Amino acid sequence: ETGVTQTPRHLVMGMTNKKSLKCEQHLGHNAMYWYKQSAKKPLELMFVYNFKEQTENNSVPSRFSPECPNSSHLFLHLHTLQPEDSALYLCASSQEPLGSEAFFGQGTRLTVV
Amino acid sequence: SQQGEEDPQALSIQEGENATMNCSYKTSINNLQWYRQNSGRGLVHLILIRSNEREKHSGRLRVTLDTSKKSSSLLITASRAADTASYFCATDSLVIFGKGTRLHILP
Repeated sequence: ETGVTQTPRHLVMGMTNKKSLKCEQHLGHNAMYWYKQSAKKPLELMFVYNFKEQTENNSVPSRFSPECPNSSHLFLHLHTLQPEDSALYLCASSQEPLGSEAFFGQGTRLTVV
Repeated sequence: SQQGEEDPQALSIQEGENATMNCSYKTSINNLQWYRQNSGRGLVHLILIRSNEREKHSGRLRVTLDTSKKSSSLLITASRAADTASYFCATDSLVIFGKGTRLHILP
């Protein structure tokens, strides 16, 4: 266990559905991240939050909407996704934003049908 | 942009042998990190080396950093079946990871 918990572990959703991914960390970290990992592609940073404020948005389509209500929780709200959005979505946290050791959750395997 | 690129893309070795994988990046860094990922799971941090360090050890892991060549290497000594995984390097921005090296330890 890394101290970063993601739920659900697996999610299948239709293109018209709305769902949310949840990430929780109990490490006292100030920064949290969302990454997307597609098959045979490099890990892609999507969003960075530092002290609940979004500091990075890596040109992510608006059908992905992050929310960080406090420094321990991070959500990724999904709506009207496309089949190519199927991937492993990883959450991570670190003490400082970008530059210190990151702790990753186990990921949510998302399949869009 | 900063980018870590690992090579080789895949590596198969016999258990007990040493495994070496390399990483190259493009811009100046403050530190470089190596991570391991077991299939379909999250990444686990292995080691961080700072730009003013040339070599660092952690158990069976040895990392070197050559800032003049913008490259790093990860050596795993006396490999075990449990070392089978993908290995990624990341520069301190954590923005871009490489595609990783898939290491397979043969029994």
